[in-house]
Amino acid sequence: GDSVTQMEGPVTLSEEAFLTINCTYTATGYPSLFWYVQYPGEGLQLLLKATKADDKGSNKGFEATYRKETTSFHLEKGSVQVSDSAVYFCALSESGKLVFGAGTILRVKS
Amino acid sequence: DTGVSQDPRHKITKRGQNVTFRCDPISEHNRLYWYRQTLGQGPEFLTYFQNEAQLEKSRLLSDRFSAERPKGSFSTLEIQRTEQGDSAMYLCASSPISPQGTGELFFGEGSRLTVL
Repeated sequence: GDSVTQMEGPVTLSEEAFLTINCTYTATGYPSLFWYVQYPGEGLQLLLKATKADDKGSNKGFEATYRKETTSFHLEKGSVQVSDSAVYFCALSESGKLVFGAGTILRVKS
Repeated sequence: DTGVSQDPRHKITKRGQNVTFRCDPISEHNRLYWYRQTLGQGPEFLTYFQNEAQLEKSRLLSDRFSAERPKGSFSTLEIQRTEQGDSAMYLCASSPISPQGTGELFFGEGSRLTVL
């Protein structure tokens, strides 16, 4: 079946540093791709999405581009803040449901 | 604005007991999903409904697990004869039917189960 692999964490950065969290996927079709975020004590919420190749999703300074040739959807942010500390999940759509990666913990120090 | 709500938020039970979780989705959403999440892992799909019909159930799901959505609104997830390995966060999500296929899922805050 389809699957998602994301870089292991935790990722620890200083405030204003550049962030990349790698995500690659395996899929038989052309899924939509998502990044979800889980802040401490809160539920999962959608951060951004892309529905076809070369689409760029963006939100709150984060962005990710759907790369079909490399089957990747890496998450980037130019300058992280302490408030970005959370767990980030990459996911793809498959047959009416979402398949998630294992998650990457991000810790941002002031 | 009412999002997805789940009840109870925490449940501690002894091995062998039955537990039931309830999920109330966003009212206009046709689809309802159950996921399970253990520490350090991403959410794992369990089952989903479109209206009252259960469309898919994970092959990894034990027969001790059963879910219902009798009137196409709220849903219940029951775990019979709980085992320590059932300890996890049980997440519910809902979504409208997207013409393009799967879209965004809206998640509740989850129901944490601890089996002693």
